Amino acid sequence: SQTIHQWPATLVQPVGSPLSLECTVEGTSNPNLYWYRQAAGRGLQLLFYSVGIGQISSEVPQNLSASRPQDRQFILSSKKLLLSDSGFYLCAWSVGAGSGEAFFGQGTRLTVV
Amino acid sequence: AQKVTQAQTEISVVEKEDVTLDCVYETRDTTYYLFWYKQPPSGELVFLIRRNSFDEQNEISGRYSWNFQKSTSSFNFTITASQVVDSAVYFCALLVGGSQGNLIFGKGTKLSVKP
Repeated sequence: SQTIHQWPATLVQPVGSPLSLECTVEGTSNPNLYWYRQAAGRGLQLLFYSVGIGQISSEVPQNLSASRPQDRQFILSSKKLLLSDSGFYLCAWSVGAGSGEAFFGQGTRLTVV
Repeated sequence: AQKVTQAQTEISVVEKEDVTLDCVYETRDTTYYLFWYKQPPSGELVFLIRRNSFDEQNEISGRYSWNFQKSTSSFNFTITASQVVDSAVYFCALLVGGSQGNLIFGKGTKLSVKP
């Protein structure tokens, strides 16, 4: 069966520090991968998605970047965190192009102080 | 443009009451998919249901039921005889066909079921 792992679960980082969140999927090949952010009181906002190794699409211009160095690995990064980067970050995967449901990781709660 | 609106920000009910969560969507595409996800306090989103735009049959799964009406662009979710374990944030989402799987979420409805 397929599983998705996301870590760390919680993170407190000072403003200006770098960020690296990692997500891996097991039990499937060539998944579509996504990073979403959930800010307090708001819905989920798609940040990045990837349909293959090295292929990253950005939905919202921001202080973050994403990389997909391996088929089932998706990394969210920042060189210098801002206070506004605080939120709940969720990684997700789906099979192929748009018809199936997305499966989500357990999320990372990031607090920038 | 695609959009999902969940007008109810928070709902509070007493256990065993029925509750309906509203979802209204906007899209000009004829092929699309609608989803409901549950987000318990632990944070992980749990998939509940998917409907495609060509299937307007209502669906029932235990205490959960969904009413899809294209005429009003709505995909409402009803929990019958609610339980405390139903307390969570519920998200409605839209997926436009061929969009590489990018879900468009509503802002969610926080449901609190009190004993």
